Amino acid sequence: DQQVKQNSPSLSVQEGRISILNCDYTNSMFDYFLWYKKYPAEGPTFLISISSIKDKNEDGRFTVFLNKSAKHLSLHIVPSQPGDSAVYFCAASATSGSRLTFGEGTQLTVNP
Amino acid sequence: GAGVSQTPSNKVTEKGKYVELRCDPISGHTALYWYRQSLGQGPEFLIYFQGTGAADDSGLPNDRFFAVRPEGSVSTLKIQRTERGDSAVYLCASSLNGIPNTQYFGPGTRLTVL
Repeated sequence: DQQVKQNSPSLSVQEGRISILNCDYTNSMFDYFLWYKKYPAEGPTFLISISSIKDKNEDGRFTVFLNKSAKHLSLHIVPSQPGDSAVYFCAASATSGSRLTFGEGTQLTVNP
Repeated sequence: GAGVSQTPSNKVTEKGKYVELRCDPISGHTALYWYRQSLGQGPEFLIYFQGTGAADDSGLPNDRFFAVRPEGSVSTLKIQRTERGDSAVYLCASSLNGIPNTQYFGPGTRLTVL
């Protein structure tokens, strides 16, 4: 079963606008969530994370929101830049374990 | 170079052969992870080391896959009798032993089994 799902395989936005990437999870044991960015032929690069004791974490242009009751998190990028074009992965882990469980990824394209 | 490094970057082999993939974690990181990423999918967990020991190997698909970390630093993922279905990008990550568990990834090894 897919415990972390990113339902949008792709997203296209204009430069300067907001990009919103969504992620849903099913396992209530998950208590730490991360977003990674991946360029072709490179490994995933850590972007931002959030603990389940928070509902928002902000780092520059990137903000992650967590809605525990809905088991949903989102990544907001504002303003979006062409260099943000990449595949974005949502990942989750449980304090009781160590593995990360990843979603399928969303290809973000920011058009100049 | 403070990041995770992996060698080789690409490996092409024939069905039935044996391969070894190497990972050099970030200095000081006690935890090391192997993941496998197939085309169009997110990374899937294979095995986790804490120091020299495999703390969780439940993601290894079968007994053809084995990994070691003899000195608690460099790790080698070993695949015996490779099959075409083993073709994927093999990713290594490391983290400090603690909470939160933020893992830092290497560039991966692209394995192609012909």
